[in-house]
Amino acid sequence: GESVGLHLPTLSVQEGDNSIINCAYSNSASDYFIWYKQESGKGPQFIIDIRSNMDKRQGQRVTVLLNKTVKHLSLQIAATQPGDSAVYFCAETTNFGNEKLTFGTGTRLTIIP
Amino acid sequence: EADIYQTPRYLVIGTGKKITLECSQTMGHDKMYWYQQDPGMELHLIHYSYGVNSTEKGDLSSESTVSRIRTEHFPLTLESARPSHTSQYLCASSEFASASEKLFFGSGTQLSVL
Repeated sequence: GESVGLHLPTLSVQEGDNSIINCAYSNSASDYFIWYKQESGKGPQFIIDIRSNMDKRQGQRVTVLLNKTVKHLSLQIAATQPGDSAVYFCAETTNFGNEKLTFGTGTRLTIIP
Repeated sequence: EADIYQTPRYLVIGTGKKITLECSQTMGHDKMYWYQQDPGMELHLIHYSYGVNSTEKGDLSSESTVSRIRTEHFPLTLESARPSHTSQYLCASSEFASASEKLFFGSGTQLSVL
């Protein structure tokens, strides 16, 4: 069946370093991908999205890379800060429908001061 | 900052009780959703709504019901709570015709059924 999964459940990064969180998906029909950040005690917060007609998109300190050939998605966070500590989820859907949004298991990112 | 609110924040109840989790948003969003999430795990869609008088079941059968009488309000009801319902429940909303399918989430209700 369809699945979206993350390679590593936990990741620790020194403050100021760059971090990369990876995500694999299995549905080749997926055409829209999203990264969410969830801090402790809060709901997920939108970070960045990318459509399948792109392979890279940049935001403020974040970059999402999409490799449709191997069905792989990554989130790069530059110059990490303590506030980046959270659980990060990738999600995917087809036809831009949120009701079909499939979330992966989160990766917990810990920034070491 | 998203304007979507969930109450209560925490709830501990006994088996067999009927409960309603409240969710309200002030953004005028047409689409609303309920997700269930165990700690650190992925989110599972249990109900969603396209607008007033619209309710749909998601992928997860949670033995719950929802209603959408007003645009801003999307309560979730468990008729008879069981220990297996212990989880975090997240409400979200989005614009119906938004080009960016960005979900705005509430802070969640942590439910414990004894």
